Amino acid sequence: AQSVTQLGSHVSVSEGALVLLRCNYSSSVPPYLFWYVQYPNQGLQLLLKYTSAATLVKGINGFEAEFKKSETSFHLTKPSAHMSDAAEYFCAVSETASKLTFGTGTRLQVTL
Amino acid sequence: NAGVTQTPKFRILKIGQSMTLQCTQDMNHNYMYWYRQDPGMGLKLIYYSVGAGITDKGEVPNGYNVSRSTTEDFPLRLELAAPSQTSVYFCASSPQTVRNSPLHFGNGTRLTVT
Repeated sequence: AQSVTQLGSHVSVSEGALVLLRCNYSSSVPPYLFWYVQYPNQGLQLLLKYTSAATLVKGINGFEAEFKKSETSFHLTKPSAHMSDAAEYFCAVSETASKLTFGTGTRLQVTL
Repeated sequence: NAGVTQTPKFRILKIGQSMTLQCTQDMNHNYMYWYRQDPGMGLKLIYYSVGAGITDKGEVPNGYNVSRSTTEDFPLRLELAAPSQTSVYFCASSPQTVRNSPLHFGNGTRLTVT
């Protein structure tokens, strides 16, 4: 079964600093990988997805993620954090066309 | 443009009671999903539907039932509430498969079973 592992349940960065949220996947076939974001008291929304067209994927709000097959990773980055980026971030993998399996989430805190 | 609407927003149940969590979408999406979210556990798929009249089990279906009589509605039924069902429940929909289109989530129902 395909799965994702998110390293670090909480990450704290200063405003303006680099954001790095880690995700490793387990899959025997080329995976479909996603990052979703959840703002307080809301449902999740899609940030970006990898579907093998390009290894560097750009998403909304300045986020991007790089697919590295050799490291089985799909880490999420943003060059400069903003206070509005404070949220919980979920990595996910699509094992079948109808289902997404989510990681356990990483809560991002942005401090002044 | 309502999107995915979940009701109620909050509910407290006693052990053994039953209830239905309502979910409706106005985007004519074929695919609908129910997830539960527990702290530190991420989201777990309970049930999903690929179209009216078709439902299937996800990772954690025990203690729940669903129906999909229309494209718009996908209610989740708890028959005998247990403390282990205390969670935040999210309904989501998508026009195509999850690989080709993003999930649209509702704002959730926070359920406490005591």
